[in-house]
Amino acid sequence: DADVTQTPRNRITKTGKRIMLECSQTKGHDRMYWYRQDPGLGLRLIYYSFDVKDINKGEISDGYSVSRQAQAKFSLSLESAIPNQTALYFCATSDLGGPYNEQFFGPGTRLTVL
Amino acid sequence: GNSVTQMEGPVTLSEEAFLTINCTYTATGYPSLFWYVQYPGEGLQLLLKATKADDKGSNKGFEATYRKETTSFHLEKGSVQVSDSAVYFCALNFGNEKLTFGTGTRLTIIP
Repeated sequence: DADVTQTPRNRITKTGKRIMLECSQTKGHDRMYWYRQDPGLGLRLIYYSFDVKDINKGEISDGYSVSRQAQAKFSLSLESAIPNQTALYFCATSDLGGPYNEQFFGPGTRLTVL
Repeated sequence: GNSVTQMEGPVTLSEEAFLTINCTYTATGYPSLFWYVQYPGEGLQLLLKATKADDKGSNKGFEATYRKETTSFHLEKGSVQVSDSAVYFCALNFGNEKLTFGTGTRLTIIP
């Protein structure tokens, strides 16, 4: 079984709809992240969480919210989806901080907003 | 702020060719440097890393050396295979733990 799983893998929705993307991990890591990937822009950080009680905004948090329901679960919500939120979304986890911050990525969720 | 600049792709090479993907960075101080690889339909996975100047990271035949004087971390492989076809991302971080990624370079190897 994969260590970091994301559901759904693909989603098509309409402008104005509320969408939730879910991420679960079995690695036992405290730190979890949400990124979006757009062609030519690389990965950009949306939100990150260092533990269940700690939520931080990334560089592009506007229009998104998150919930850390448990150590193993970190959900990303789009309260009212818009077409420029069409992207590939990745969840990631990490254990140690400092200079050895290897992040482990899920397989991604492809979201299309019409 | 911190930034990473990668050579633009796509890059297309024949099997067994020599590969270089350039990466330079801008940062105050000395970050840790990483190369991540994204195979088709998958998430990113760490390929190699270096945490201080002159360190060489290596994995699966790929190498990259942390060059402080040129603020570079170029990825190299002596003989590429079709299975190396993927998107490669250079990244950096400091103790704040947030990775800053480059835009990615798509590599295609033809038999």
